[in-house]
Formats: sequence, structure tokens, C-alpha cells
Amino acid sequence: RKEVEQDPGPFNVPEGATVAFNCTYSNSASQSFFWYRQDCRKEPKLLMSVYSSGNEDGRFTAQLNRASQYISLLIRDSKLSDSATYLCVVTSAGKLIFGQGTELSVKP
Amino acid sequence: EAEVAQSPRYKITEKSQAVAFWCDPISGHATLYWYRQILGQGPELLVQFQDESVVDDSQLPKDRFSAERLKGVDSTLKIQPAELGDSAMYLCASSLTGTPGGYTFGSGTRLTVV
Repeated sequence: RKEVEQDPGPFNVPEGATVAFNCTYSNSASQSFFWYRQDCRKEPKLLMSVYSSGNEDGRFTAQLNRASQYISLLIRDSKLSDSATYLCVVTSAGKLIFGQGTELSVKP
Repeated sequence: EAEVAQSPRYKITEKSQAVAFWCDPISGHATLYWYRQILGQGPELLVQFQDESVVDDSQLPKDRFSAERLKGVDSTLKIQPAELGDSAMYLCASSLTGTPGGYTFGSGTRLTVV
């Protein structure tokens, strides 16, 4: 079993839609949690950190449930420019452990 | 904005040949990481340096891969001999304090082994 698991998608949604990505992690000792965004053939870039209390950054909302070892990302009012792969990331022994990524395609 | 420099951007090599990648982290970043990303998968850590010392190379296939950071600044990742399954994106990242949220990735080297 992989340490971080995501639905690979792809998710195909129309502009303006709300889309949610889910992620589970297996190591209960994981301390920090992030969502990264990766455009096609580019490097991953930090989208946002994820906190237990939940946090929001504009149209993006991240949630963490430590008891269930579950992380989510909600994107509201999807834009064409949101098309990318979204990587769920946790730390383990000070290292970043990535999920396989969920591909999002936003269509006009 | 400071960047992590990597070269080359693209590399095509024949099976059994040697290949090397170079990374120059952001100035002052003591922690340097090499990741490998196979198409359709997330990045996987190959090796982590703290200054010139290897902190973690548990996932580095040491029979063919080697990594060094001799002066604690730039780093080289080498594969010899290359195999078809090594085709992937090789990403370098650096961090000032070693805290995961502070990673900055380079643009990567896309390796194709033929």
C-alpha cells in the first residue's frame, strides 16, 4: 500500500464547477500536510499548507482529518487556469511524501 | 525570485550509457533533495543532503545511481549504466531550514533512455 493515496482522475469539469479531491495517508506520525500543483511537464509548486482547523485561500479550501488520516482540497468556481495535476503531500521523518496526483481538466 | 537551477533540461541517452544531472540550489539552502518522477506518478525521494552529508539515500538504487554534493553547494546525480526504466523527470529541490513547507523545486531534467 502506498503511503499517500489519491484518486488519479482525470476529473473533467466545466468552468464554474466545484470540484473536490481526496487523499488518504497511512503514517499516523505524519506531521505536516500540503497540496502542490503541477502543470504539465513542469515542476511541482506549493499550492497551500493544510491545517487541522481547515484553511482557505481564495477559491481553495483544504481540510485535514487526523483521526481518519484524510486530506481534502475543494476548488470553487473552477477556472480554465486551474487545469493541472494536484499532488497531496505529507511529511514523514522530515521528508516530503507525494501522492500520485489527481489530474484536473477544466473545460469552457 | 530565487530559483533552483538544473541542467540539462532534456537528455536522451542510450541504454547502458552513463548520464549525469546537475543542480544548483538557492544560495544558503543547506538541504538539497533529488526526486524522481515517473510519468503518471508522484515524485519519489532518491536522496537528501544536509550540507555535504547524505541524510537519506534509502531509496537510491546504489548499484547504478550515485549522488554527491562535495562542497555543500551544488550537486550531481549520476546513473551508470542507464536502463530503460530510468526514463523519468529528475527533480532537484532545496530548503533553507529543512522544513518541508519551504521546498523550492527546480525545473527538472527529463531523461529518456532509448
